[in-house]
Amino acid sequence: GAVVSQHPSWVICKSGTSVKIECRSLDFQATTMFWYRQFPKQSLMLMATSNEGSKATYEQGVEKDKFLINHASLTLSTLTVTSAHPEDSSFYICSAQGQGGSPLHFGNGTRLTVT
Amino acid sequence: GNSVTQMEGPVTLSEEAFLTINCTYTATGYPSLFWYVQYPGEGLQLLLKATKADDKGSNKGFEATYRKETTSFHLEKGSVQVSDSAVYFCALTITGNQFYFGTGTSLTVIP
Repeated sequence: GAVVSQHPSWVICKSGTSVKIECRSLDFQATTMFWYRQFPKQSLMLMATSNEGSKATYEQGVEKDKFLINHASLTLSTLTVTSAHPEDSSFYICSAQGQGGSPLHFGNGTRLTVT
Repeated sequence: GNSVTQMEGPVTLSEEAFLTINCTYTATGYPSLFWYVQYPGEGLQLLLKATKADDKGSNKGFEATYRKETTSFHLEKGSVQVSDSAVYFCALTITGNQFYFGTGTSLTVIP
């Protein structure tokens, strides 16, 4: 079946550095990819929606200059957390969807810890 | 707005016990409702869904009925197994792409 691969699964970085998270659709073309964030004991919150070849659409309250999203191909989207701070520590998860309202598939998530 | 509220965990059950995880929702339109499951170390997987009122979604012995009158979509299973240990997320979508999730309920089934 369709698989979405997210990498890395966990990362620890120092405050002020940038971290890139990759999300790949392995056997289908993901025309739309979504990035979510989950803080402890809270819901998965949608951060942004990206369509291949277009700029991402960010949800209210999400800083687009801090969370850079690139969706340059139909199989790859990246989320870069720039100048990370401890408050950015969270669980980030991507999901991908093909054309025509096909089912949504999720990656395994990335646990980011900023020290 | 759109939101999902689900029962907080963690939930610990003995094998073969009955499971209920409550989920209620608010929505501005006519949502489709979902249960996703996340097994340890894996991504979210669709468990079941229902697209309109009174529909029942079912899969792997799990069931949930879309109740418009109570705005609920409770997850049930008659006899849980150790392999059901996971985190369960209730979710809704209006548009088919933007999803709203509950906080997740961790289930541990002990032999």
